Amino acid sequence: AQSVTQPDIHITVSEGASLELRCNYSYGATPYLFWYVQSPGQGLQLLLKYFSGDTLVQGIKGFEAEFKRSQSSFNLRKPSVHWSDAAEYFCAVGDNYGQNFVFGPGTRLSVLP
Amino acid sequence: DTGVSQNPRHKITKRGQNVTFRCDPISEHNRLYWYRQTLGQGPEFLTYFQNEAQLEKSRLLSDRFSAERPKGSFSTLEIQRTEQGDSAMYLCASSDRLAGYNEQFFGPGTRLTVL
Repeated sequence: AQSVTQPDIHITVSEGASLELRCNYSYGATPYLFWYVQSPGQGLQLLLKYFSGDTLVQGIKGFEAEFKRSQSSFNLRKPSVHWSDAAEYFCAVGDNYGQNFVFGPGTRLSVLP
Repeated sequence: DTGVSQNPRHKITKRGQNVTFRCDPISEHNRLYWYRQTLGQGPEFLTYFQNEAQLEKSRLLSDRFSAERPKGSFSTLEIQRTEQGDSAMYLCASSDRLAGYNEQFFGPGTRLTVL
């Protein structure tokens, strides 16, 4: 069965610093990979997705992620964090039929002024 | 299009009571999903519909849970005889065939507290 791990439960960075959130997945076929962000009391907003092609994908709000098949990873990065980026970030994996969608446990990001 | 909406946003109930939540997907999205999210965890899949047909149910969906999408538009999720362990955020999402169903758009959720 597919699974997603996010090794970091909570990360704190200073505003303006770079950010990398880790995501590892286990999936038997070609994975469809996603990063979502959830602000307190809000639903999930899609940041970016990877289906195929270029392994470095760009998303909204200045985020990017790199798919590394050999490492089963899909890490999220941002070169300069803003205070408004403080939120919960979820990595997810699905299949090409829009089924079997599995989320990781999330990483909570705190941003210091 | 205002996105996926869910009502109510918050529900407090006593153990043993029945509750019903509603989800209105993005119009013309023919797939609708329900997830449960407990504190500190990612969303867990409960069930999904394609049009009015319920195609898959997670084993998390006990007999006390039932979901419907009678006309292929909005959906309701009912929990009967609620238990304290049902306290969670219930999220709804919808997706579109034209996008290959892969991208799910989420609503704001209904937070259930069972006392």
